[in-house]
Parts: sequence; structure tokens; C-alpha cells
Amino acid sequence: DSGVTQTPKHLITATGQRVTLRCSPRSGDLSVYWYQQSLDQGLQFLIQYYNGEERAKGNILERFSAQQFPDLHSELNLSSLELGDSALYFCASSLTSGDSYEQYFGPGTRLTVT
Amino acid sequence: GQNIDQPTEMTATEGAIVQINCTYQTSGFNGLFWYQQHAGEAPTFLSYNVLDGLEEKGRFSSFLSRSKGYSYLLLKELQMKDSASYLCAVRDYSGGYQKVTFGTGTKLQVIP
Repeated sequence: DSGVTQTPKHLITATGQRVTLRCSPRSGDLSVYWYQQSLDQGLQFLIQYYNGEERAKGNILERFSAQQFPDLHSELNLSSLELGDSALYFCASSLTSGDSYEQYFGPGTRLTVT
Repeated sequence: GQNIDQPTEMTATEGAIVQINCTYQTSGFNGLFWYQQHAGEAPTFLSYNVLDGLEEKGRFSSFLSRSKGYSYLLLKELQMKDSASYLCAVRDYSGGYQKVTFGTGTKLQVIP
């Protein structure tokens, strides 16, 4: 158990809908990262937050957005969902935005868009 | 940006040694990680290199050559449970940010 929690574990929704994925980092970790992993692709970095502020952006679509709240939990919002958005979404946390060399991953949320 | 290459698949025999290579191209290099990921599960940290040389941790070792943009993960005394994907990830510093980019992973199958 990494100490990172993600909810829900599974999510099935229809095209065009909007969903919110939630992540609680390890106690004491200030940095949260979001990744997307499709069946035929590797881990794609989406976005990183550090202590409530956006720190880095990867291949995140404009239909997707995220935020980190004062209690350090983070939410990833996916809107106008398409079939291709079906994937495993991982959240990871680390102590700092760069000095800590290890990211701890949550169990992931499996999103299925039908 | 970054370009990370690693073999897609490898097969090795239980009890043997396997080496998984990773090459990368990046500016502002600031560390290389190896993660293990079993199918459908979250990646778990294996090793970290930021200086040239070999880091050993039990059955797993990782090597880095910064001048060559090259790393490998060495797994000794392979066990069936080592069947998993092994992800190489590079951290770099650009635009004021530290960013980690993952390779597509090497799927290792350990056979009896």
C-alpha cells in the first residue's frame, strides 16, 4: 500500500459526459501528479501540482482540467468524454516538486467510456 | 522535450539474469528512475540514478551513463513473479519545472 488513495476504482460512463476523479496523496506529500495509461500506450504524464499550484503540464487535453485543494487532495476533471478517453488514470505523490526522487502511485481509476 | 527508448518485450528464463536497456535524449537531465508495473496495477519504484555508475539493491541493479544517455536495469536470479513491465523514466529540469517522463515500458516474461 503506497499511501495514495484514488476514488472511484472503476467508472463507466457514456460519451459526452463529464467525470471527476479524486486523489489523496500520502500524508506529508505536497506534490501530486496525474497520468493516463491506455492499453496500447505507456504512462502519459498529464499534469502536476505542488502545494496547490500547477507546476508542470504534459499531454493534457483542453477537455481535461485538474486542481489541488488546500488539504492537498487533487481532482482530475474529464469532460465531453470520448471513447478514446477510456484508460487507467493514475495519481502519484511525492514530498516535493523535485527534490524527492520517488513518486508513490495510487491504485488507479479505470475509466470506461461507452 | 524528451525521447526515451526501451525494448517492447523480452523473455528470460527463471533463475537467469536479464538486462533491460533504456536510452534517452534530453536537456537538463536530473535523474533516471526504474519502476516495475504488474498488469493492471500501479507502478512501484525500483531504483534511482543521478550520477554515473551502478546502484545495487538486492537482486536488482541499475546503471547510468549520462554522457551516453544510457541506462540499464539488471535483474538477477529471475523469479516468476518478476514477470511485469519495467518502466524507465527520466527527470529533467526545463522552464523552471522538474518533469518526469516515462518510457513505454519493457514487458518481461519469465518462463520456467
